[in-house]
Amino acid sequence: EDQVTQSPEALRLQEGESSSLNCSYTVSGLRGLFWYRQDPGKGPEFLFTLYSAGEEKEKERLKATLTKKESFLHITAPKPEDSATYLCAGKDRDDKIIFGKGTRLHILP
Amino acid sequence: NAGVTQTPKFQVLKTGQSMTLQCAQDMNHEYMSWYRQDPGMGLRLIHYSVGAGITDQGEVPNGYNVSRSTTEDFPLRLLSAAPSQTSVYFCASRTDSTNQPQHFGDGTRLSIL
Repeated sequence: EDQVTQSPEALRLQEGESSSLNCSYTVSGLRGLFWYRQDPGKGPEFLFTLYSAGEEKEKERLKATLTKKESFLHITAPKPEDSATYLCAGKDRDDKIIFGKGTRLHILP
Repeated sequence: NAGVTQTPKFQVLKTGQSMTLQCAQDMNHEYMSWYRQDPGMGLRLIHYSVGAGITDQGEVPNGYNVSRSTTEDFPLRLLSAAPSQTSVYFCASRTDSTNQPQHFGDGTRLSIL
């Protein structure tokens, strides 16, 4: 059965303290690995799509990477406004999208 | 800059009542989906549509109906509300290009008493 598992469930960092969020997946014929950001009371907002192992994408303080078994969302020198829940999702060969449960990130000023 | 619009934002129902959650998108997207999000669980797919007149079941379809008479609108109907349907419901859309990301609305927070 296809699965996407995110860790940790929650993470508290000091402003400026870099870290990484993990998304491990077992998705048959992965056709895309998506990262979203979700703020309280809002819908998920698209960040990145990764298609193949070794691929990397960056946006401001965020960088997403992909291996054959997992993806990482690296956050460099985070600011309080980076506080949110980060969701990972994999798309399988049948176009089905499986979401992880998310990582709640809190950046302390 | 509307994107995906969901109404209402909040709703409280009594067990057994029916209602329709509205979803509209102005991006001419073919694909539309309904998800529910519950604490400690990932987004779960309820129903989806690949175009006007075409709908299909997702992971958790029981107790819900959908229709897609136009490209823009994809309403979700609760036939007889149950407390287990208390959740936050999200509508999403994307183009028919396979690897394009979904665009989500801001959700409807539904409580069933």
